[in-house]
Amino acid sequence: EIVLTQSPGTLSLSPGERATLSCRASQNVNSNHLAWYQQKPGQAPRPLMFGASIRAAGIPDRFSGSGSGTDFTLTISRLESEDFGVYYCQQYGSSSTFGQGTRLEIK
Amino acid sequence: EVLLGESGGGLVQPGGSLRLSCVASGSSFENYWMSWVRQAPGTGLEWVATIKKDGSEKYYMDSVRGRFTISRDNAKKLLYLQMNSLRAEDTAIYYCARPQLLPHDIFNDWGQGTMVTV
Repeated sequence: EIVLTQSPGTLSLSPGERATLSCRASQNVNSNHLAWYQQKPGQAPRPLMFGASIRAAGIPDRFSGSGSGTDFTLTISRLESEDFGVYYCQQYGSSSTFGQGTRLEIK
Repeated sequence: EVLLGESGGGLVQPGGSLRLSCVASGSSFENYWMSWVRQAPGTGLEWVATIKKDGSEKYYMDSVRGRFTISRDNAKKLLYLQMNSLRAEDTAIYYCARPQLLPHDIFNDWGQGTMVTV
């Protein structure tokens, strides 16, 4: 099973700042089959990115994804108040596993 | 987009059983793989099971294989999860979710979830 480790556990930033979230895999992720989700309290996860760098439908371009192999990054260029929540990465190249999440909170 | 709505959650004793249902609205339910994903209180997400469009292939996470059964009724646009021999560690919100294209894929659509407490 591929284990995904996300860092940092919590990120405290202000609106307008840049956020960088990391997701590291215990093995290579096949074909960059790596996705990112945002989850807010009481809601289901919302898909943000797939294929490591492709934005899902309706996701603004301040969100970008990068990486390959075992190291992946989600960047939010200019934080808006609606961006705060918990972010999860998921690999779907070998079965499907999720990271433990990064909490993005308002500083 | 597929709209999904789960039901059937509740409180059950260890060793008991529960059947979850998920109704889909919109067209083409029969054209989609479907999955269950769970989230234990205050923790992360965990893929549970996936079923092929026609029900002919099923995949399970190791800890539920042999205890849980995923099934579907395409005519009624319903997805099911039969959960037997329930354990305390099965306590979670259970979401039905639609993989984009493949059995293991990004989950494009999610229901609101139903809570199972063991």
